[in-house]
Amino acid sequence: GAGVSQSPSNKVTEKGKDVELRCDPISGHTALYWYRQSLGQGLEFLIYFQGNSAPDKSGLPSDRFSAERTGGSVSTLTIQRTQQEDSAVYLCASSNAQQDGNEKLFFGSGTQLSVL
Amino acid sequence: GESVGLHLPTLSVQEGDNSIINCAYSNSASDYFIWYKQESGKGPQFIIDIRSNMDKRQGQRVTVLLNKTVKHLSLQIAATQPGDSAVYFCAEKGYNFNKFYFGSGTKLNVKP
Repeated sequence: GAGVSQSPSNKVTEKGKDVELRCDPISGHTALYWYRQSLGQGLEFLIYFQGNSAPDKSGLPSDRFSAERTGGSVSTLTIQRTQQEDSAVYLCASSNAQQDGNEKLFFGSGTQLSVL
Repeated sequence: GESVGLHLPTLSVQEGDNSIINCAYSNSASDYFIWYKQESGKGPQFIIDIRSNMDKRQGQRVTVLLNKTVKHLSLQIAATQPGDSAVYFCAEKGYNFNKFYFGSGTKLNVKP
């Protein structure tokens, strides 16, 4: 497929468990973003990867959250010791910044995380 | 930090009418703006973008207006259709910061 793919689409876990969320960006896109969206809310920035540069982790809410991007492609967002307030939709987006500075983000459908 | 907010959380319009969704941004360094549409259960989809060197840009049935003086952005949808019902987000990005900031969204309800 040509779009951003996220898996799983839904994840139900128990409080205290670790979870891994996966994102397959569009092939060739150098930038990858993770956002979090709570019910009825806007998008909260979590982390940003651009090529081989050090990621911008400034949006990660706590040290329980981490993310990797292997080989400049697939990314995994890991949440350790999940809490109920982690319940949200986790959205991944990728882009390939244009020479004119315009950058269109393409989003996946997200992973709905429910922490019981 | 930067903030992007919307004036109206919910907007109801009659099918066939025009819709206007507003957005205020606070960072005068922002120079690129995008409107996204998010349908239930889906990720946001790109609608239209505009750079700060423009005041207006038109797409198919949509127009984005940018007023840099008051840091205001609007999305106009002509002849609104039921399929336009969704949550609309504006997002801003600047040359000196590498990530997009999103507003809280406006829910558009189109009444048949």
